[in-house]
Amino acid sequence: DADVTQTPRNRITKTGKRIMLECSQTKGHDRMYWYRQDPGLGLRLIYYSFDVKDINKGEISDGYSVSRQAQAKFSLSLESAIPNQTALYFCATSDLGQGASTGELFFGEGSRLTVL
Amino acid sequence: QKEVEQDPGPLSVPEGAIVSLNCTYSNSAFQYFMWYRQYSRKGPELLMYTYSSGNKEDGRFTAQVDKSSKYISLFIRDSQPSDSATYLCAMGGGSQGNLIFGKGTKLSVKP
Repeated sequence: DADVTQTPRNRITKTGKRIMLECSQTKGHDRMYWYRQDPGLGLRLIYYSFDVKDINKGEISDGYSVSRQAQAKFSLSLESAIPNQTALYFCATSDLGQGASTGELFFGEGSRLTVL
Repeated sequence: QKEVEQDPGPLSVPEGAIVSLNCTYSNSAFQYFMWYRQYSRKGPELLMYTYSSGNKEDGRFTAQVDKSSKYISLFIRDSQPSDSATYLCAMGGGSQGNLIFGKGTKLSVKP
Protein backbone atom coordinates (compact mmCIF):
# COMPACT_ATOMS: atom_id res chain seq x y z
CA ASP A 1 0.00 0.00 0.00
CA ALA A 2 1.10 3.56 -0.71
CA ASP A 3 2.43 5.61 2.21
CA VAL A 4 0.33 8.62 1.17
CA THR A 5 -3.09 7.73 -0.20
CA GLN A 6 -5.44 10.12 -1.93
CA THR A 7 -9.10 9.54 -2.73
CA PRO A 8 -10.67 9.87 -5.17
CA ARG A 9 -8.02 9.57 -7.89
CA ASN A 10 -10.32 11.07 -10.48
CA ARG A 11 -13.48 13.12 -10.11
CA ILE A 12 -15.70 14.98 -12.53
CA THR A 13 -18.21 17.36 -11.03
CA LYS A 14 -20.35 20.34 -11.92
CA THR A 15 -20.02 24.00 -11.06
CA GLY A 16 -21.41 24.79 -7.62
CA LYS A 17 -21.03 21.31 -6.17
CA ARG A 18 -19.19 20.64 -2.93
CA ILE A 19 -16.19 18.38 -3.31
CA MET A 20 -13.93 16.76 -0.72
CA LEU A 21 -10.54 15.26 -1.49
CA GLU A 22 -9.14 13.03 1.19
CA CYS A 23 -5.59 12.16 2.15
CA SER A 24 -4.32 9.60 4.60
CA GLN A 25 -0.75 8.67 5.44
CA THR A 26 1.04 5.83 7.19
CA LYS A 27 4.43 7.54 7.42
CA GLY A 28 3.78 8.90 10.91
CA HIS A 29 4.62 12.44 9.80
CA ASP A 30 3.20 15.43 11.62
CA ARG A 31 3.25 17.80 8.67
CA MET A 32 0.79 17.55 5.80
CA TYR A 33 0.23 19.71 2.74
CA TRP A 34 -2.16 20.19 -0.15
CA TYR A 35 -0.78 21.34 -3.50
CA ARG A 36 -2.36 22.11 -6.81
CA GLN A 37 -0.57 21.44 -10.12
CA ASP A 38 -1.54 23.17 -13.35
CA PRO A 39 0.25 23.01 -16.72
CA GLY A 40 2.62 25.96 -17.01
CA LEU A 41 2.15 26.96 -13.37
CA GLY A 42 3.86 24.16 -11.51
CA LEU A 43 3.05 23.16 -7.94
CA ARG A 44 1.35 25.74 -5.75
CA LEU A 45 0.67 25.36 -2.04
CA ILE A 46 -2.98 25.59 -0.98
CA TYR A 47 -2.92 24.76 2.75
CA TYR A 48 -0.56 23.10 5.19
CA SER A 49 -0.77 21.72 8.69
CA PHE A 50 2.11 21.18 11.11
CA ASP A 51 -0.01 19.23 13.58
CA VAL A 52 -3.66 18.47 14.30
CA LYS A 53 -4.28 21.88 15.89
CA ASP A 54 -2.30 23.89 13.35
CA ILE A 55 -3.70 24.92 9.95
CA ASN A 56 -2.08 27.50 7.70
CA LYS A 57 -3.00 29.11 4.41
CA GLY A 58 -0.66 28.70 1.51
CA GLU A 59 -0.20 30.68 -1.67
CA ILE A 60 -3.64 30.02 -3.16
CA SER A 61 -6.15 29.22 -0.38
CA ASP A 62 -9.13 31.21 -1.68
CA GLY A 63 -12.03 28.91 -2.54
CA TYR A 64 -10.62 26.02 -0.52
CA SER A 65 -10.87 24.81 3.08
CA VAL A 66 -9.17 21.98 4.94
CA SER A 67 -9.70 19.76 7.93
CA ARG A 68 -7.06 17.84 9.87
CA GLN A 69 -9.11 15.07 11.40
CA ALA A 70 -6.15 13.21 12.87
CA GLN A 71 -2.39 13.08 12.54
CA ALA A 72 -2.80 10.76 9.59
CA LYS A 73 -5.72 12.45 7.81
CA PHE A 74 -5.95 15.78 6.01
CA SER A 75 -8.86 16.62 3.72
CA LEU A 76 -9.33 19.42 1.21
CA SER A 77 -12.77 20.81 0.43
CA LEU A 78 -14.09 22.93 -2.38
CA GLU A 79 -17.33 24.38 -1.00
CA SER A 80 -18.66 25.50 -4.37
CA ALA A 81 -16.50 24.21 -7.20
CA ILE A 82 -15.79 26.40 -10.22
CA PRO A 83 -14.20 25.47 -13.57
CA ASN A 84 -10.86 27.18 -12.85
CA GLN A 85 -10.39 24.75 -9.96
CA THR A 86 -9.93 22.02 -12.55
CA ALA A 87 -6.44 20.73 -11.76
CA LEU A 88 -4.33 17.90 -10.39
CA TYR A 89 -4.25 18.00 -6.58
CA PHE A 90 -1.48 16.48 -4.49
CA CYS A 91 -1.28 15.72 -0.82
CA ALA A 92 2.19 15.56 0.71
CA THR A 93 3.78 14.87 4.08
CA SER A 94 7.07 15.67 5.75
CA ASP A 95 8.55 14.85 9.13
CA LEU A 96 10.23 18.20 9.64
CA GLY A 97 9.83 21.78 8.56
CA GLN A 98 10.52 22.18 4.91
CA GLY A 99 13.33 24.53 5.70
CA ALA A 100 15.03 22.25 8.21
CA SER A 101 16.99 19.05 7.87
CA THR A 102 16.05 17.15 4.73
CA GLY A 103 12.81 18.96 4.11
CA GLU A 104 11.79 16.08 1.87
CA LEU A 105 8.17 15.98 0.84
CA PHE A 106 6.45 12.65 0.22
CA PHE A 107 3.63 12.98 -2.28
CA GLY A 108 0.53 10.97 -2.96
CA GLU A 109 -0.32 9.94 -6.50
CA GLY A 110 -2.69 12.83 -7.05
CA SER A 111 -6.40 13.50 -7.46
CA ARG A 112 -7.47 14.76 -10.86
CA LEU A 113 -10.49 17.05 -10.52
CA THR A 114 -12.53 18.32 -13.44
CA VAL A 115 -15.20 20.95 -12.83
CA LEU A 116 -17.65 21.35 -15.71
CA GLN B 1 10.28 38.40 -11.18
CA LYS B 2 9.13 35.06 -9.84
CA GLU B 3 11.12 33.59 -6.98
CA VAL B 4 12.06 30.49 -8.97
CA GLU B 5 12.37 30.32 -12.75
CA GLN B 6 12.59 27.05 -14.65
CA ASP B 7 12.39 26.51 -18.39
CA PRO B 8 9.40 24.19 -18.94
CA GLY B 9 10.80 22.67 -22.11
CA PRO B 10 9.83 20.21 -23.44
CA LEU B 11 13.32 18.84 -23.89
CA SER B 12 13.92 15.86 -26.17
CA VAL B 13 17.30 14.10 -26.33
CA PRO B 14 18.62 10.82 -27.76
CA GLU B 15 19.51 7.98 -25.44
CA GLY B 16 23.01 8.35 -24.03
CA ALA B 17 23.03 12.15 -24.18
CA ILE B 18 24.08 14.38 -21.31
CA VAL B 19 21.13 16.39 -20.05
CA SER B 20 21.38 19.73 -18.26
CA LEU B 21 18.38 21.11 -16.38
CA ASN B 22 18.51 24.48 -14.70
CA CYS B 23 16.72 26.85 -12.35
CA THR B 24 17.40 30.39 -11.29
CA TYR B 25 16.10 32.04 -8.16
CA SER B 26 15.93 35.48 -6.60
CA ASN B 27 15.75 34.83 -2.83
CA SER B 28 19.28 34.83 -1.40
CA ALA B 29 17.95 33.26 1.84
CA PHE B 30 17.38 29.89 0.18
CA GLN B 31 19.67 27.25 1.65
CA TYR B 32 18.04 23.95 0.65
CA PHE B 33 17.92 22.94 -2.99
CA MET B 34 16.17 19.90 -4.34
CA TRP B 35 15.26 18.18 -7.54
CA TYR B 36 12.09 16.14 -7.76
CA ARG B 37 11.25 13.73 -10.56
CA GLN B 38 7.65 13.21 -11.59
CA TYR B 39 6.61 10.39 -13.88
CA SER B 40 3.37 10.67 -15.81
CA ARG B 41 0.30 10.12 -13.60
CA LYS B 42 2.45 9.95 -10.46
CA GLY B 43 3.39 12.27 -7.63
CA PRO B 44 6.82 13.92 -7.50
CA GLU B 45 9.63 12.02 -5.77
CA LEU B 46 12.81 13.48 -4.34
CA LEU B 47 15.76 12.82 -6.62
CA MET B 48 18.57 15.01 -5.30
CA TYR B 49 19.01 17.24 -2.26
CA THR B 50 21.78 19.78 -1.68
CA TYR B 51 22.39 22.08 1.23
CA SER B 52 24.05 25.42 0.42
CA SER B 53 26.57 25.59 -2.42
CA GLY B 54 28.51 22.84 -4.08
CA ASN B 55 28.05 19.63 -6.01
CA LYS B 56 26.43 16.35 -5.13
CA GLU B 57 26.69 13.21 -7.21
CA ASP B 58 24.50 10.10 -7.14
CA GLY B 59 25.14 7.61 -9.90
CA ARG B 60 24.36 9.25 -13.23
CA PHE B 61 22.93 12.36 -11.55
CA THR B 62 24.85 15.44 -10.40
CA ALA B 63 23.29 18.44 -8.68
CA GLN B 64 25.13 21.76 -8.61
CA VAL B 65 24.33 24.87 -6.62
CA ASP B 66 25.94 28.24 -7.29
CA LYS B 67 24.58 30.59 -4.64
CA SER B 68 26.63 33.53 -5.89
CA SER B 69 24.81 33.33 -9.22
CA LYS B 70 21.53 32.06 -7.71
CA TYR B 71 21.61 29.18 -10.17
CA ILE B 72 21.13 25.45 -9.71
CA SER B 73 21.61 22.63 -12.18
CA LEU B 74 20.88 18.95 -12.53
CA PHE B 75 23.03 16.93 -14.91
CA ILE B 76 22.05 13.49 -16.14
CA ARG B 77 24.82 11.44 -17.76
CA ASP B 78 24.16 8.58 -20.18
CA SER B 79 20.47 9.41 -20.23
CA GLN B 80 18.04 6.51 -20.53
CA PRO B 81 14.44 6.29 -21.76
CA SER B 82 13.49 5.59 -18.14
CA ASP B 83 14.67 9.12 -17.30
CA SER B 84 11.75 10.51 -19.31
CA ALA B 85 9.78 12.51 -16.77
CA THR B 86 9.14 16.03 -15.54
CA TYR B 87 11.90 17.42 -13.32
CA LEU B 88 10.99 20.06 -10.76
CA CYS B 89 13.47 22.15 -8.85
CA ALA B 90 12.50 23.22 -5.33
CA MET B 91 14.18 25.39 -2.77
CA GLY B 92 13.62 26.79 0.69
CA GLY B 93 15.20 27.79 3.97
CA GLY B 94 15.88 30.96 5.86
CA SER B 95 12.72 32.91 6.47
CA GLN B 96 10.92 30.95 3.78
CA GLY B 97 9.17 28.22 5.71
CA ASN B 98 7.86 26.29 2.73
CA LEU B 99 9.47 24.98 -0.43
CA ILE B 100 9.08 27.01 -3.60
CA PHE B 101 8.84 24.89 -6.73
CA GLY B 102 9.84 25.67 -10.27
CA LYS B 103 7.31 24.96 -13.01
CA GLY B 104 9.09 21.76 -14.04
CA THR B 105 10.92 20.73 -17.21
CA LYS B 106 9.49 17.85 -19.23
CA LEU B 107 12.25 15.58 -20.50
CA SER B 108 11.91 12.90 -23.14
CA VAL B 109 14.78 10.51 -23.84
CA LYS B 110 14.37 8.75 -27.18
CA PRO B 111 15.75 5.23 -27.71
